[in-house]
Amino acid sequence: AAGVIQSPRHLIKEKRETATLKCYPIPRHDTVYWYQQGPGQDPQFLISFYEKMQSDKGSIPDRFSAQQFSDYHSELNMSSLELGDSALYFCASSYNQGPGNTIYFGEGSWLTVV
Amino acid sequence: QQQVKQSPQSLIVQKGGISIINCAYENTAFDYFPWYQQFPGKGPALLIAIRPDVSEKKEGRFTISFNKSAKQFSLHIMDSQPGDSATYFCAASIQGGSEKLVFGKGTKLTVNP
Repeated sequence: AAGVIQSPRHLIKEKRETATLKCYPIPRHDTVYWYQQGPGQDPQFLISFYEKMQSDKGSIPDRFSAQQFSDYHSELNMSSLELGDSALYFCASSYNQGPGNTIYFGEGSWLTVV
Repeated sequence: QQQVKQSPQSLIVQKGGISIINCAYENTAFDYFPWYQQFPGKGPALLIAIRPDVSEKKEGRFTISFNKSAKQFSLHIMDSQPGDSATYFCAASIQGGSEKLVFGKGTKLTVNP
């Protein structure tokens, strides 16, 4: 079965650089979520989109932005990178069919800021 | 403020034993409670989930017990196996909105052979 696809899997950037992460949700899923997970930490919600519109916003820095495109793929753009941005970034998707929607996570993108 | 509190932080169990992980929440608006399993370097994968209208749900070796009045829920892993060694996260969400998941801090489970 198709899963959530994230790219790149690993990314190394220097401070103050910009990074873009891509996410391809499971086909026919209409909702995309972005989470950030620091080492040994729980995933923290950043932002979500439903049918290409932002549906909720969490602890996402102003330096970060995201969007969902017409083909439902999503991109997370991170600018002015800081050392503290080093983390595993997960994209997840779900089909909003009613209560108890299962949210499926991708394998994650490792971002290292040096 | 951690909206979902999870304990213990780590757990060591012998093969064949029962693993028990507990979570508590404050927000009574939460109405969906999933458990996710995460292996190192991998994304979280849904194990089992429960809604507050039932007190227990069982799927294979995994059981969720839910106590609405106490605002607590727990995961029981029966006949624990070394392959169950992973980090387990409880989570909560409010259905009908963005349905974003709020996670507990996680429990690192080690099952010794």
